[in-house]
Amino acid sequence: DSGVTQTPKHLITATGQRVTLRCSPRSGDLSVYWYQQSLDQGLQFLIQYYNGEERAKGNILERFSAQQFPDLHSELNLSSLELGDSALYFCASSPVTGGYGYTFGSGTRLTVV
Amino acid sequence: EDQVTQSPEALRLQEGESSSLNCSYTVSGLRGLFWYRQDPGKGPEFLFTLYSAGEEKEKERLKATLTKKESFLHITAPKPEDSATYLCAVQAWETSGSRLTFGEGTQLTVNP
Repeated sequence: DSGVTQTPKHLITATGQRVTLRCSPRSGDLSVYWYQQSLDQGLQFLIQYYNGEERAKGNILERFSAQQFPDLHSELNLSSLELGDSALYFCASSPVTGGYGYTFGSGTRLTVV
Repeated sequence: EDQVTQSPEALRLQEGESSSLNCSYTVSGLRGLFWYRQDPGKGPEFLFTLYSAGEEKEKERLKATLTKKESFLHITAPKPEDSATYLCAVQAWETSGSRLTFGEGTQLTVNP
């Protein structure tokens, strides 16, 4: 157990739907990062939050959004889902913003049918 | 744009057969280079961080080294349990925030 908790572990949904993925960071970590891993693209950075504020943004689609709450947990919202959004979504956390290795959760496998 | 290229894509070794994995990178200003291990269906597991050229770090059968353009992960006398995908990532200095840019990984298989 890495200390980073992601729920749910698996999610199957239909095209056009909206889902929410949840992440609780490791105790004491203030930064949360979201990554997408698909078979043909490897690990792609989506977005970073630090202590509730958005700090860095990758190639995150406009259909995707995220937030970090006062208790530091984070949610990634995916809407108008397409078949191509099927992937593993990982959350990672670190104590501060940068300079340290990130601790990854075990991921949420999203399947869009 | 930061880029990371790992080679080979896949590597098969016999137990005890030492080898090296390569990670070439281009980054605007290197803050750190990271090695992770990933087992199928699981999240990446942190192995090492290297911060400057010439730095080396070791953990059991693994040793990571860093130059100004590439990093190597040396695996000495590997065992079947070392089979996994090894990921290299770079972190650049940013004015706000941080991110890791990952390579595609090297899939290592160690046969008994």
